[in-house]
Amino acid sequence: SQQGEEDPQALSIQEGENATMNCSYKTSINNLQWYRQNSGRGLVHLILIRSNEREKHSGRLRVTLDTSKKSSSLLITASRAADTASYFCATSHSGGSNYKLTFGKGTLLTVNP
Amino acid sequence: GAGVSQSPSNKVTEKGKDVELRCDPISGHTALYWYRQRLGQGLEFLIYFQGNSAPDKSGLPSDRFSAERTGESVSTLTIQRTQQEDSAVYLCASSWGRGGHNTGELFFGEGSRLTVL
Repeated sequence: SQQGEEDPQALSIQEGENATMNCSYKTSINNLQWYRQNSGRGLVHLILIRSNEREKHSGRLRVTLDTSKKSSSLLITASRAADTASYFCATSHSGGSNYKLTFGKGTLLTVNP
Repeated sequence: GAGVSQSPSNKVTEKGKDVELRCDPISGHTALYWYRQRLGQGLEFLIYFQGNSAPDKSGLPSDRFSAERTGESVSTLTIQRTQQEDSAVYLCASSWGRGGHNTGELFFGEGSRLTVL
């Protein structure tokens, strides 16, 4: 079963607005990563947050992690048309196979110019 | 090469035929992964290679699926007697694995799109 579940499934906003995507997971994790996938392409790593971190920034991206709620959010500020893509969260489980990333189904973000 | 390279980028085959998909990881990356992505879905883990250790094959959906990797180089994913439900994009990724460089990040190829008629 999928460990990470993103919501919403799809999000449509205007250029310049902020986009927030959420990810929930079920079991304890080592870290959580966000990836981006342009249509028909491979995935590109955006940011990794470890289980002992609560917030991380990278450029226009801000990721939060709440381990008590088993959830994370990805905020993209001042969105651009080029941000249009699918965004996936991926979790690395505590113990055992911590190399195995489990991906959610993704959020399709459309940024309208 | 500069990134993970996969071939073919597109493959159309008839039901019952065998197919081979190839992945060239980033030089120096000891870990290699195969994932399957069905249309509009997330990624399903298939198999993981780490150096010369025994691979983790726990994600392979049936015995029609197999994968090989020689050392820390090229990997091939083979699907025998293909079925229509095998139609998907097969993504390969590599990483530094257990080495000190490992940031946990996976580097993905562009994928091989398989269509089984």
